[in-house]
Amino acid sequence: TQLLEQSPQFLSIQEGENLTVYCNSSSVFSSLQWYRQEPGEGPVLLVTVVTGGEVKKLKRLTFQFGDARKDSSLHITAAQPGDTGLYLCAGRGTGANNLFFGTGTRLTVIP
Amino acid sequence: NAGVTQTPKFQVLKTGQSMTLQCAQDMNHNSMYWYRQDPGMGLRLIYYSASEGTTDKGEVPNGYNVSRLNKREFSLRLESAAPSQTSVYFCASSEFGVLNEQFFGPGTRLTVL
Repeated sequence: TQLLEQSPQFLSIQEGENLTVYCNSSSVFSSLQWYRQEPGEGPVLLVTVVTGGEVKKLKRLTFQFGDARKDSSLHITAAQPGDTGLYLCAGRGTGANNLFFGTGTRLTVIP
Repeated sequence: NAGVTQTPKFQVLKTGQSMTLQCAQDMNHNSMYWYRQDPGMGLRLIYYSASEGTTDKGEVPNGYNVSRLNKREFSLRLESAAPSQTSVYFCASSEFGVLNEQFFGPGTRLTVL
């Protein structure tokens, strides 16, 4: 099992604030994905990063893959209530077909 | 295009009862997965099927069996349910490839009394 630890576990912020969520591991991953899950639904893929140091932007969300491919971060600018949900990172191990999921960060954006 | 569908959405069992969770996908994906999600533990892989005709154990396979019925369908069976199997179960599918981007169903919330 390749552990992925996410921090913080819970985050409650006001609308308009910025935030960063971290995903860390001691293992190297060939790719890393971020998912968002809303209550009563399955996770939905947001982005996949593959190259060490890669940065991807999706509107107000910025994703970064660490240079050593062991960690990743998700930064949200000017958070909105619609960003509320559980954010999960998931890494694919080198030579493996499966994903290993982090424990999740539950974000609440207060209007 | 329904994506990944799961039935039932909710289920309550008594200890020792058996049941099968059904999953189907219409995206022509080769790979399918079963996960369980428990508070504070993220998603843990129970079993997966890399392609039609193959199945492999994941991180937490004990107490479960699976059947890849055809390319579209992948079922999960609990032969003798235990309270420790109370969880939310998700099915997912993906193309077999480098990125392994997974598409999830809406989940089945199972309670074992």
